[in-house]
Amino acid sequence: DAKTTQPNSMESNEEEPVHLPCNHSTISGTDYIHWYRQLPSQGPEYVIHGLTSNVNNRMASLAIAEDRKSSTLILHRATLRDAAVYYCILRDVAGAQKLVFGQGTRLTINP
Amino acid sequence: DTAVSQTPKYLVTQMGNDKSIKCEQNLGHDTMYWYKQDSKKFLKIMFSYNNKELIINETVPNRFSPKSPDKAHLNLHINSLELGDSAVYFCASSNRQVGRTEAFFGQGTRLTVV
Repeated sequence: DAKTTQPNSMESNEEEPVHLPCNHSTISGTDYIHWYRQLPSQGPEYVIHGLTSNVNNRMASLAIAEDRKSSTLILHRATLRDAAVYYCILRDVAGAQKLVFGQGTRLTINP
Repeated sequence: DTAVSQTPKYLVTQMGNDKSIKCEQNLGHDTMYWYKQDSKKFLKIMFSYNNKELIINETVPNRFSPKSPDKAHLNLHINSLELGDSAVYFCASSNRQVGRTEAFFGQGTRLTVV
């Protein structure tokens, strides 16, 4: 399984944008980049995913570097409810059918 | 209408007992998973079933046995429970091509072995 590297923790203020980085230098051409988050005492929750182009949805935006070796999850206006552990995961569509979670980034939002 | 539901939410039991955790999904997905999250918060996959067929079996003790009676259900039976089995167990489902689609997780079952 391809590996990702994320900072252990980040902190931001409420109503400010948050940029969560992820490095995946060994990404292969068929790997999709997935982001999940886990709020306290809950199961992981899908946030967004992409392959090559930047993606937007109601929760966040995903910016993918041109060489695909890194990506950034963007929360445009953080709220206290966005405090969670964010996981960046690579999934090979042709590989085993599983999501391999790393240690993730613990995001703290200050009021 | 809960997409992936697990029962029970909490389970406290003594060492040596046998227990089961049930999982059901109403999303029409063809693939279901069991994950374990230990006290250090690492999420590790245990098993995966696709259309009732076991497709992933990570290094898990034989005391753990998954059972999938149909595509919508994946149960986890644990024999001879040990203290180290204490963890939160998450069930998830998706369509087979996880690379292209999202997975949905249940709320977890917190198992405490005393």
